[in-house]
Amino acid sequence: DIQMTQSPSSLSASVGDRVTVTCRASQSITNWLAWFQQKPGKAPKLLIYKASGLKSGVPSRFTGSGSGTEFTLTISSLQPDDFATYYCQQYNTHPWTFGQGTKVEIK
Amino acid sequence: QITLTESGPTLVKPTQTLTLTCAFSGFSVSTSGVGVGWVRQPPGKPLEFLALIYWDDDKRYSSHLKNRLTITKDTSKNQVVLTMTNMDPVDTATYYCAHNTYLYDDNGFGYPTPFDYWGQGTLVTVSS
Repeated sequence: DIQMTQSPSSLSASVGDRVTVTCRASQSITNWLAWFQQKPGKAPKLLIYKASGLKSGVPSRFTGSGSGTEFTLTISSLQPDDFATYYCQQYNTHPWTFGQGTKVEIK
Repeated sequence: QITLTESGPTLVKPTQTLTLTCAFSGFSVSTSGVGVGWVRQPPGKPLEFLALIYWDDDKRYSSHLKNRLTITKDTSKNQVVLTMTNMDPVDTATYYCAHNTYLYDDNGFGYPTPFDYWGQGTLVTVSS
């Protein structure tokens, strides 16, 4: 199985901060990577597909980049609604696999 | 408007078989390219892919759970069912079903899209 490793596992940030989350794949997944946001007690919400494609309705402060084995999710200016856990997921090869998550907390 | 709703027992005993149903609307699992899958999340832990079934009955499973999982679809009822045998307390989790699509580009190359619509999840506790 392809392993997905996220860093950091958690971070504290303030409203307005620029936040970056990294995801590394154990082998190349070209650009078949998605990012999800999950809030407590809620289902995950798709933010980014194909590494950098912004899902319709998702604010433009979210950007994804990368290819091969290294990917990043950047939130350009953190908003109160963005405090959540973020997961990367590869869909290049079955079985699909998720990262362990990055919790973004209020500083 | 696409919606998915999971249903099934909230409590199962160890060694029992779990059967979960995903009822959906806004799409048909008989439509070319459509897929429905299952993902679980133990309390306080990450998401874990379990299984996925496509319109053409292609099925994909988690590597380490494949011997315990079966995914099926009922096109007439707009449902997808997941069964997991030999349940254990470590299987306690919220189970989600989700929709995805398999697309084709201009060259006929097929590729999947990630889960874009999710149910609200159902918590299953395994305990005697």
